[in-house]
Amino acid sequence: DIQMTQSPSSVSASVGDRVTITCRASQDINNWLTWYQQKPGKAPRLLIYAASNLQSEVPSRFSGSGSGTDFTLTISSLQPEDFATYYCQQSKSFPLTFGGGTKVEI
Amino acid sequence: QVQLVQSGAEVKKPGSSMKVSCKASGVTFRSQTISWVRQAPGQGLVWMGRITPILGSVYSAQEFQGRIIISADESTSTAYMELSGLTLEDTAVYYCAREPSFQDTTGYLHYFFDFWGQGTVVSVSS
Repeated sequence: DIQMTQSPSSVSASVGDRVTITCRASQDINNWLTWYQQKPGKAPRLLIYAASNLQSEVPSRFSGSGSGTDFTLTISSLQPEDFATYYCQQSKSFPLTFGGGTKVEI
Repeated sequence: QVQLVQSGAEVKKPGSSMKVSCKASGVTFRSQTISWVRQAPGQGLVWMGRITPILGSVYSAQEFQGRIIISADESTSTAYMELSGLTLEDTAVYYCAREPSFQDTTGYLHYFFDFWGQGTVVSVSS
């Protein structure tokens, strides 16, 4: 199975900050990488697919980059509604696997 | 708009089975791929398996093989996930999620989830 490792596991930030979350795959996954946002008690929400494609209706302050084994999710200017947990997921091979999550908190 | 509505919360005894349903609307059900993902309390997301009714294709993660059955009823646009041999470690929120058919410019398919059910809480307790 492909292991996905996110860092940091949590980050404290303020409104307006630039936040960067990293996801590393245990092997080359090309651009088969997706990012989700999850708020407490809610289902995950799709943010970015194919490493850098912004899902419809997702604010442009979210962006994704990377290829191979190293990927980044960037929030350019953190908004109050962005405090949540973020997960990456690979789809290079089955089983589909997720990173452990990064909690963005105040 | 795609909508996935799951069945309600369940409380189960160790050793018993659970069955969660996921009713889809706003889409042609048989051509969709529905996956199941679970999340234990305070933990991350774990993919369990998927079904594509039009292909008659079912795939489950090895971690669950032998005790998971994923099925679909096209007449009611409903997918099901049944898990047997429950242990305390199966206590989790179970989600169904739709995989869009996304093919990138190089022709490769990407598997991710754009619409999710609301989640079904399953508690396993003696």
